[in-house]
Amino acid sequence: DQQVKQNSPSLSVQEGRISILNCDYTNSMFDYFLWYKKYPAEGPTFLISISSIKDKNEDGRFTVFLNKSAKHLSLHIVPSQPGDSAVYFCAASKDTDKLIFGTGTRLQVFP
Amino acid sequence: KAGVTQTPRYLIKTRGQQVTLSCSPISGHRSVSWYQQTPGQGLQFLFEYFSETQRNKGNFPGRFSGRQFSNSRSEMNVSTLELGDSALYLCASSVGQGVRGYTFGSGTRLTVV
Repeated sequence: DQQVKQNSPSLSVQEGRISILNCDYTNSMFDYFLWYKKYPAEGPTFLISISSIKDKNEDGRFTVFLNKSAKHLSLHIVPSQPGDSAVYFCAASKDTDKLIFGTGTRLQVFP
Repeated sequence: KAGVTQTPRYLIKTRGQQVTLSCSPISGHRSVSWYQQTPGQGLQFLFEYFSETQRNKGNFPGRFSGRQFSNSRSEMNVSTLELGDSALYLCASSVGQGVRGYTFGSGTRLTVV
């Protein structure tokens, strides 16, 4: 049972435009959500997180939105840069327990 | 400061053998968690250690075990290796228990032949 889903395996965006990565979850007990960026043969790098008491969190070019009623979160990257090309994972946690990861979305930013 | 160090980076083992992977956390971090990444199952939680005690365990068979030493370094062991154990094994460390402030290492790529 995949509790965290990223339905788009890949996304291609032009440099300077907005990248929107989506994530859905099924467990309403999740209270902490994170986004990670990952390059091949490297560990995930933390990007941004959001607690379930908020609906938005911003950090520079990265903004995460949480819609609890829809059990949906999204990551917006504005403006997108070629260096953003990587695989992005969303992850969820209950009581800051273990992370449940989505399957990842490969983002390619082209010039 | 130094990041999370995992050794070795690459490993090739034969079915039926056992393997031990090592993770040195960031200085001052007392929690170490292990994850397995495979193409089919994605990233899955194996276990978490905090102050030398296993705090949490994922849904993996008993062939997967771990431990943590007094200096917070952790090892995980897989016995009787199977082809399906081929994966990237990642560890993450944090100051306290749980996922807040996780920093991941670069992982150990295990190939079972």
